[in-house]
Amino acid sequence: QSVLTQPPSASGSPGQRVTISCSGSSSNIGSDTVNWFQQLPGTAPKLLIYSNDQRTSGVPERFSGSKSGTSASLAISGLQSEDEADYYCAAWDDSLKGYVFGAGTKVTVL
Amino acid sequence: QIHLQQSGPGLVKPSQTLSVTCAISGDSVSSNSAAWNWIRQSPSRGLEWLGRTYYRSKWYNDYAVSVKSRITIMPDTSKNQFSLQLNSVTPEDTAVYYCARVTHPGRIVDYWGQGTLVTVSS
Repeated sequence: QSVLTQPPSASGSPGQRVTISCSGSSSNIGSDTVNWFQQLPGTAPKLLIYSNDQRTSGVPERFSGSKSGTSASLAISGLQSEDEADYYCAAWDDSLKGYVFGAGTKVTVL
Repeated sequence: QIHLQQSGPGLVKPSQTLSVTCAISGDSVSSNSAAWNWIRQSPSRGLEWLGRTYYRSKWYNDYAVSVKSRITIMPDTSKNQFSLQLNSVTPEDTAVYYCARVTHPGRIVDYWGQGTLVTVSS
């Protein structure tokens, strides 16, 4: 059971907006920054968003991140077929003294 | 450009020791602005952080509680790499193992190795 809670799936038609939530606690999201990763089948996770809302170089502007209190979210606007992937949130946990991840959200483009 | 290249056996027998190595290029294992981590991924456990090693005037290690009694992460400055050893493995340890760099400060997991599928089976 993952420390951070994400919905297992999300979907949208091309061009639509999809939002993925990530819920944590005061010891992780509430006290540290959130990273978001995209994982395509058979590949390592790729850093998409760091420090809550900063896009990694080369990541399209349609990806955006935000954080409020003990929750964070990733939004994909103008959904494209190549955005079909698994998305994970992560943060450092001060109580566990380790990095914690969400279970991942599978995004499907209809 | 930073690159992490993993190597290690893909099959380990139960009760034996799992070993994976991560060779670093473009950065130093002794960097004061990074920590070198091991993370694994399996269908049953998802992404699980295992531990890290880092240098801040001396070497430090942190390990996840779930594997603390069985894990060792070691830097090798002569080869600019670090390694994971997990003892007394069971089929539950079957997973894809990744090495990853985490920046300091910021705790950004910005570079990952390619992953090593390790299967624990007799």
